[in-house]
Amino acid sequence: EAGVAQSPRYKIIEKRQSVAFWCNPISGHATLYWYQQILGQGPKLLIQFQNNGVVDDSQLPKDRFSAERLKGVDSTLKIQPAKLEDSAVYLCASSLLNTQYFGPGTRLTVL
Amino acid sequence: QQQVKQSPQSLIVQKGGISIINCAYENTAFDYFPWYQQFPGKGPALLIAIRPDVSEKKEGRFTISFNKSAKQFSLHIMDSQPGDSATYFCAAMTGGFKTIFGAGTRLFVKA
Repeated sequence: EAGVAQSPRYKIIEKRQSVAFWCNPISGHATLYWYQQILGQGPKLLIQFQNNGVVDDSQLPKDRFSAERLKGVDSTLKIQPAKLEDSAVYLCASSLLNTQYFGPGTRLTVL
Repeated sequence: QQQVKQSPQSLIVQKGGISIINCAYENTAFDYFPWYQQFPGKGPALLIAIRPDVSEKKEGRFTISFNKSAKQFSLHIMDSQPGDSATYFCAAMTGGFKTIFGAGTRLFVKA
């Protein structure tokens, strides 16, 4: 069974630029999560989708972050404009029930 | 109330020893408590999980102990091996699959 795919794996941008991350979850998984993991910390939930609907986006900085999950499969997370404090690993996960399966993450560096 | 507090931040154990990581939570709405293992450059992967109606769960060398009245749970790694060196995250999940992660414990097992 293929795992959660994410791209790109690494991204370096300057502050105020835009960036987008892509996630392809495990086939059949209805729930998709985006997490932000700052170095030395645990993953922090940014947004949770159930199929193509948003379940929880309470911790998403909506003035600069946006996410969508068209057709209830792939998802994209966008940051516009990026700030220095957005430097982190962005993890995508999917689940059928309780167990979340994580992708390898995208490491974002904002200079 | 949504926090999950994890300790210690880092842990060094001799090969063959017991590694113990502790977590505490406040929100009684949490009903599923997974532990994730993360290696550098990888996403977290589920290690073992427990529900609050069970006081202990063992899978191989890994055991979760759960104290519902104290709102605490812990991970014990018996016969710790150098290959166990990783970052461990406790987490707590609600019925809607929203997951709150602890800050993580970096475990180093000395050969």
